[in-house]
Amino acid sequence: SAVISQKPSRDICQRGTSLTIQCQVDSQVTMMFWYRQQPGQSLTLIATANQGSEATYESGFVIDKFPISRPNLTFSTLTVSNMSPEDSSIYLCSARQGSTDTQYFGPGTRLTVL
Amino acid sequence: DAKTTQPTSMDCAEGRAANLPCNHSTISGNEYVYWYRQIHSQGPQYIIHGLKNNETNEMASLIITEDRKSSTLILPHATLRDTAVYYCIVSPRPGGGATNKLIFGTGTLLAVQP
Repeated sequence: SAVISQKPSRDICQRGTSLTIQCQVDSQVTMMFWYRQQPGQSLTLIATANQGSEATYESGFVIDKFPISRPNLTFSTLTVSNMSPEDSSIYLCSARQGSTDTQYFGPGTRLTVL
Repeated sequence: DAKTTQPTSMDCAEGRAANLPCNHSTISGNEYVYWYRQIHSQGPQYIIHGLKNNETNEMASLIITEDRKSSTLILPHATLRDTAVYYCIVSPRPGGGATNKLIFGTGTLLAVQP
C-alpha cells in the first residue's frame, strides 16, 4: 500500500494569510486528490491534482482560492489562500496506486483560522 | 450527491460480528462498491471493494446482493479499535480512461461496546 505523509500536521493561522500544505507519497501513484473535511462533516473533494498541468476542480472550489501543484508523480501541494475562519477544516491528501487501483489517504492537516 | 444510503449509527458488542448495511439502488453496471473507515482524528482507511462477487480480506468481508442494489460489510469479530465512521461508496474503477472520484456520503458511526 502507498504511505502518504502531510506537512504540517496542524497549524493555526491568521485571517488573510495563506498556508501551503505538502503531500508526499512513498511510491509512484497514478492520481492524487485533495479533500476537505469541515468540523463534524464528511469529506468533500476539492480537486484532482494533475501532474504537470492545472488541477481539475470540483464545483464550488476555484484555483485562486486553492492553488494546487503536482510537479512529479509522488508530490503535491495545496495552498489555502486569503484564509478566513470558514476555511478551518482538515485537509486530506489522497493518492491512487495504479497497480491495485486502490486509493489511500494521508493523515490530514488540521487548519484553524483565527 | 452520494449514491449510497447508510444508517447514521450502529452499536456492536465487542467480539461479535458487526454487519454494516449499505443501499445503492442506482448503481451502474461499471460501478464498484468501496468501503472505507475513518477512526477519529485519522485519515480514511481502505477496507475492501467489490463488483458483484463477495469479497474477503484480512479486515472484513463484503457481501453484495445479486441485483447489486445493496451490500453488507462484515467485521467478523469487532474490537474496540473498530469504532469508526464507515463509508460505503460506489464508483467506477479506473481504467479505460475513466476518471473516477471517490465521493463520500455521511457514513455509519459504528460504536463497539465493551
